[in-house]
Amino acid sequence: KQEVTQIPAALSVPEGENLVLNCSFTDSAIYNLQWFRQDPGKGLTSLLLIQSSQREQTSGRLNASLDKSSGRSTLYIAASQPGDSATYLCAVGYGNKLVFGAGTILRVKS
Amino acid sequence: DAGITQSPRHKVTETGTPVTLRCHQTENHRYMYWYRQDPGHGLRLIHYSYGVKDTDKGEVSDGYSVSRSKTEDFLLTLESATSSQTSVYFCAISELSEQYFGPGTRLTVT
Repeated sequence: KQEVTQIPAALSVPEGENLVLNCSFTDSAIYNLQWFRQDPGKGLTSLLLIQSSQREQTSGRLNASLDKSSGRSTLYIAASQPGDSATYLCAVGYGNKLVFGAGTILRVKS
Repeated sequence: DAGITQSPRHKVTETGTPVTLRCHQTENHRYMYWYRQDPGHGLRLIHYSYGVKDTDKGEVSDGYSVSRSKTEDFLLTLESATSSQTSVYFCAISELSEQYFGPGTRLTVT
């Protein structure tokens, strides 16, 4: 059974810092990996999708990497801002289904 | 934003009553999903659909049924609601790989 772990569970940083969120998974036979953002009381917003054949994807200040063989992905956020405060979820895809990690709660202090 | 709506957005019901949640999409995507989100468990897949009248079970399907008679609508039914089904329910859609989520329905079973 696929298990997805996100570390750390919570993170508090001052504005302007670069930060890394980690995601690990137990079964490397994945189709893709998706990073989401969730604001309190809201739905999930897709940030980045990495296909299994790709090593990384970038969108603005966000960069996600994927190392299938080691079962790891990282989400790098450059020059963090208070508006980045949210829960970040990692989900691995197999077939057309996703398995989610529990998330990392990020707080960026101004 | 992907055109996904969920109704109702909030519902309080009593134990033993039937409840139906609706997910509606305007994107004509083939795949539709129902998830529940609970503290300590993250998001878990309940049921999904890969076409009209084509559905399959997810990780936590006991006590739930689904129907999809049109491409745009995916219904989730709790035949006899229990307190353990108090949760936030999210619908998602996808066509290829990336999943897009609706705003969620907060269901409380008293």
